[in-house]
Amino acid sequence: DADVTQTPRNRITKTGKRIMLECSQTKGHDRMYWYRQDPGLGLRLIYYSFDVKDINKGEISDGYSVSRQAQAKFSLSLESAIPNQTALYFCATSDNRGNTEAFFGQGTRLTVV
Amino acid sequence: LAKTTQPISMDSYEGQEVNITCSHNNIATNDYITWYQQFPSQGPRFIIQGYKTKVTNEVASLFIPADRKSSTLSLPRVSLSDTAVYYCLVGGLLTGGGNKLTFGTGTQLKVEL
Repeated sequence: DADVTQTPRNRITKTGKRIMLECSQTKGHDRMYWYRQDPGLGLRLIYYSFDVKDINKGEISDGYSVSRQAQAKFSLSLESAIPNQTALYFCATSDNRGNTEAFFGQGTRLTVV
Repeated sequence: LAKTTQPISMDSYEGQEVNITCSHNNIATNDYITWYQQFPSQGPRFIIQGYKTKVTNEVASLFIPADRKSSTLSLPRVSLSDTAVYYCLVGGLLTGGGNKLTFGTGTQLKVEL
């Protein structure tokens, strides 16, 4: 089983719909992150959480919200999806030590039509 | 958080050694340097991490000069399967209240026969 699991893996949704992407991890890490990746571009940070009670905006948080339901779960929501949110979304986790080794999920390919 | 600069792309041939350099002029005392590899439609994967001098593992070597303002990822004898995007990150526990794992656009390495 994967250490970081994202569901769904693929999703097509209509403009204006609410959609939730889920991420769960078995690494026991406190820190979790959501990124989006557009074709030919690097990863851009949407939100991150350093523990269950901590939520922080990243570079591109507009149009997104998150929920840290437990140490192992971090969900990303698009309240009203729009076509330019079509992208590949990744969840990641890392520990609290002074390094940056992170573990990524397999990604969720989201298409908004 | 220290900003990084990498070449956008590099080309190589199978069997050659590839060196990818990353500049991080404002790296902080507590920052580590970490490299990730990403294949298309997959999440980034940790390759190597270092703080100073040289680090080597079964996949790559990381060279960090004394001033730590740059680092070089060295891939010995690359193969076609090393074609990927390589990201350099710097960060640490005390950077801006915690490491946000900020990715740049990375270096697209293309290996040919």
